[in-house]
Amino acid sequence: KAGVTQTPRYLIKTRGQQVTLSCSPISGHRSVSWYQQTPGQGLQFLFEYFSETQRNKGNFPGRFSGRQFSNSRSEMNVSTLELGDSALYLCASSLGPRITDTQYFGPGTRLTVL
Amino acid sequence: DAKTTQPPSMDCAEGRAANLPCNHSTISGNEYVYWYRQIHSQGPQYIIHGLKNNETNEMASLIITEDRKSSTLILPHATLRDTAVYYCIAAFGNEKLTFGTGTRLTIIP
Repeated sequence: KAGVTQTPRYLIKTRGQQVTLSCSPISGHRSVSWYQQTPGQGLQFLFEYFSETQRNKGNFPGRFSGRQFSNSRSEMNVSTLELGDSALYLCASSLGPRITDTQYFGPGTRLTVL
Repeated sequence: DAKTTQPPSMDCAEGRAANLPCNHSTISGNEYVYWYRQIHSQGPQYIIHGLKNNETNEMASLIITEDRKSSTLILPHATLRDTAVYYCIAAFGNEKLTFGTGTRLTIIP
């Protein structure tokens, strides 16, 4: 079974631009979560989607948004990029939204904002 | 805030058992204990989880104390590929995973 895939793997943007990251979950998984990882803040939860609905949201500004499609694929968007948005963005998929539904992580997208 | 406390770093000799402790003294009765690890520059990898009973799978064993205030992840025969940051997480229901700073485990040849 193929794992979680994320595209692109690496991205370089400049301040003020916007970016869209994509995540394809494991086949049959309907829940997708996004995390941001930085050296200073560690792994932080961004948001979670299940059946095209946002179920949980972390403590991030409105510049961070996401969506999920009917095939469970998900995208996250960051508008008006800031230098502090440079991070590894990780996507995780699970069968469902409950904690007992184990999350499987993708390799991440490394975003660099110049 | 993470509900668990872990030592920041540990070393273990290759071939020996690596025992990673985790303190979760405020855990509630319906919170699970999850362990993930993250090898440098990769996404976190699920290892094992448990509620009350000890658990074992092909990767590791999880020993949870009877009062559930602490647990130990055991990698029975550590290899160099087990060098990673190990995260212990307590969560329940529809909560999402809250990662702390974890334990950086280094396997020494």
